[in-house]
Amino acid sequence: IQMTQSPSSLSASVGDRVTITCRASQGIRKSLAWYQQKPGKVPKFLIYGASTLHPGVPSRFSGSGSGTDFTLTISSLQPEDVATYYCQSYDTVRTFGRGTNVQI
Amino acid sequence: EVQLVESGGALVQPGGSLRLSCAVSGFTVSGDYMSWVRQAPGKGLEWVSAIYSDGSTYYADSVQGRFIISRHNSNNTLYLQMNSLRTEDTAVYYCAREFPWDLGAFDIWGQGTMVTVSS
Repeated sequence: IQMTQSPSSLSASVGDRVTITCRASQGIRKSLAWYQQKPGKVPKFLIYGASTLHPGVPSRFSGSGSGTDFTLTISSLQPEDVATYYCQSYDTVRTFGRGTNVQI
Repeated sequence: EVQLVESGGALVQPGGSLRLSCAVSGFTVSGDYMSWVRQAPGKGLEWVSAIYSDGSTYYADSVQGRFIISRHNSNNTLYLQMNSLRTEDTAVYYCAREFPWDLGAFDIWGQGTMVTVSS
C-alpha cells in the first residue's frame, strides 16, 4: 500500500484553516493515523481511526475520511503547529506518507 | 510512568552488525504490540519491524532476512538485531508501542537512537 500526501509543504498565516490530504493506493477502511513531528523531536500521536483525537490533542485538529481518501484539518493555525505531519495506514501493513511540512 | 528508552546506536561499517535495545517502563513489553520505526536524515518515517503479544514477528521488505526483532520479558526490553548493514540503513531508530485500542497506530515513542552505516 502506498500513501500519498499532499501538499508536500505549505505556508499559511496564523488563524488560517489548513487542510492536508492523504490518499491510499487501495482501500484501508478507517485504519489511518496522523502524527505531528516538530524539528528535532519525536513524532506525536494525533489521530487514529481516521477521525478520533488522541486525548490531550487540541480540538482545532480534526481528521476525516475512509477507504482511500483522508484529510487532516487544523481549523485555526497556531505558531506551535509548525511541524511536519505524517499520515500512516495500518489496515494490513504499516505505511507512512512522505509528510507535509507546515510553516507560518 | 510510561516510557521507552532506546540505546545501542553507533557508527558501523557496511556489512557489520549492531543490536539496538529499547527499555520499557510503565507497561509490559510482552503484553503489547511493539514496533521499530526509522527515519533517515532529513527524510520521512519508515516502519521496520513489529512483534506481537503472541510472539509473531513482521518485517519491512527492506530489512527482511537481515534484521531480527525480539524481546526479553524478564528485563522488559525490546531488541532489534541488525545484520549485513547497508549505508541506506543509516537512520534514527525509534521503538514504539502500538496503541492498544487500535493496533497498528503508534501512541508511545522512544527518543530514538542514531545508527550510521559508513566506511
